[in-house]
Amino acid sequence: DIQVTQSPSSVSASVGDRVTITCRASQGIDRWLAWYQQKPGKAPKLLIYAASTLQSGVSSRFSGSGSGTDFTLTVSSLQPDDCATYYCQQANSVPYTFGQGTKLEIK
Amino acid sequence: QVQLVQSGAEVKKPGASVKVSCKASGYTFTGYNMHWVRQAPGQGLEWMGWINPNGGTTYARKFQGRVTMTRDTSINTAYLELRDLRSDDTAAYYCTRDNSWYFFDYWGQGALVTVSS
Repeated sequence: DIQVTQSPSSVSASVGDRVTITCRASQGIDRWLAWYQQKPGKAPKLLIYAASTLQSGVSSRFSGSGSGTDFTLTVSSLQPDDCATYYCQQANSVPYTFGQGTKLEIK
Repeated sequence: QVQLVQSGAEVKKPGASVKVSCKASGYTFTGYNMHWVRQAPGQGLEWMGWINPNGGTTYARKFQGRVTMTRDTSINTAYLELRDLRSDDTAAYYCTRDNSWYFFDYWGQGALVTVSS
């Protein structure tokens, strides 16, 4: 199974800051990676897929990059509404696996 | 608009079975794969498997033998059945639509299954 490891596990930043979350796959997955945002008590929301494609309706403050084993999610100009847990997911091969999550808090 | 509406919370005893439903609307149900993902309280996301438009299924090895995914195209509803429940099956179970790239673009609201004696 492909393991995906996120870092950091938590991050605290101020409104207006730029935040970067990374995801590393245990083997190459080309660009088969997505990022999700989840708020407490809610279902996850797709932000980015295929490493860098912005899901329709998602703010352009979110961007993704990477290929192979190393990927990043960047949130530019952090807003209070961005407070959530973020997960990456690999779709290269079954079983599709998620990272352990990164909790983003606003200072 | 695309909607996935799941059945309500369930409480089950160890060894029992549970069947969760997921009613889809706003798109052509038979045109997309449906996946199931679960999340234990305070924990991360775990992929369980998927059912394709032809009814074919792929399950995560961890759940093989205990899980069955089906769908009824006449009522645009997908189902997840999990048998021989254990306490560590306590989780929110989500259905989620595959955007044709094996990423998940729409999600149900989740169905909390609690396994307790």
